[in-house]
Amino acid sequence: DAKTTQPTSMDCAEGRAANLPCNHSTISGNEYVYWYRQIHSQGPQYIIHGLKNNETNEMASLIITEDRKSSTLILPHATLRDTAVYYCIVTTGANNLFFGTGTRLTVIP
Amino acid sequence: GAVVSQHPSWVICKSGTSVKIECRSLDFQATTMFWYRQFPKQSLMLMATSNEGSKATYEQGVEKDKFLINHASLTLSTLTVTSAHPEDSSFYICSANRGWGEDGYTFGSGTRLTVV
Repeated sequence: DAKTTQPTSMDCAEGRAANLPCNHSTISGNEYVYWYRQIHSQGPQYIIHGLKNNETNEMASLIITEDRKSSTLILPHATLRDTAVYYCIVTTGANNLFFGTGTRLTVIP
Repeated sequence: GAVVSQHPSWVICKSGTSVKIECRSLDFQATTMFWYRQFPKQSLMLMATSNEGSKATYEQGVEKDKFLINHASLTLSTLTVTSAHPEDSSFYICSANRGWGEDGYTFGSGTRLTVV
């Protein structure tokens, strides 16, 4: 599976949108972009995934560039409970998930 | 949605003893489960892939005789840490793949192992 690059950390004010970028320039045509988050001392939680179209669910929106080499996870109205490490993962879905270092998002009151 | 139950949530054991961690898929069958280990302030590292009815596949550097994996049914995989030592203290997390779909990979809540 292709590897991803994410900023190490980000801050976001409570109530504002959090935009988390991810670079996956070596993504192949059959690989999806998945986003998970891990709140301290818990298992990873699924957020959203997509192939090439933008996606939205009750938790977040996923914007994938037309060339699919990067994507952005958007939390529209960040709350303190959104403080976590966010992982961007690309995978065909047939193998295990490879976790990079992720982005530590801190939502500030 | 899919639920994976992991038990126990935390365990403290004496050095030299063995500890078993269970991972159950509650509302779906999982032919494949994954075991990860996470040290403080680090990312998840895959230890092994557990396949129902066959031997687990271990990642390089993971001792298969120390970390015994059994996937005897489509809803249960177990990880046994044998002859545990303090350096085995870590956060262990399982994941089940129920196939394709919006949440194809579902994770357990993790087990905090402390070896004293």
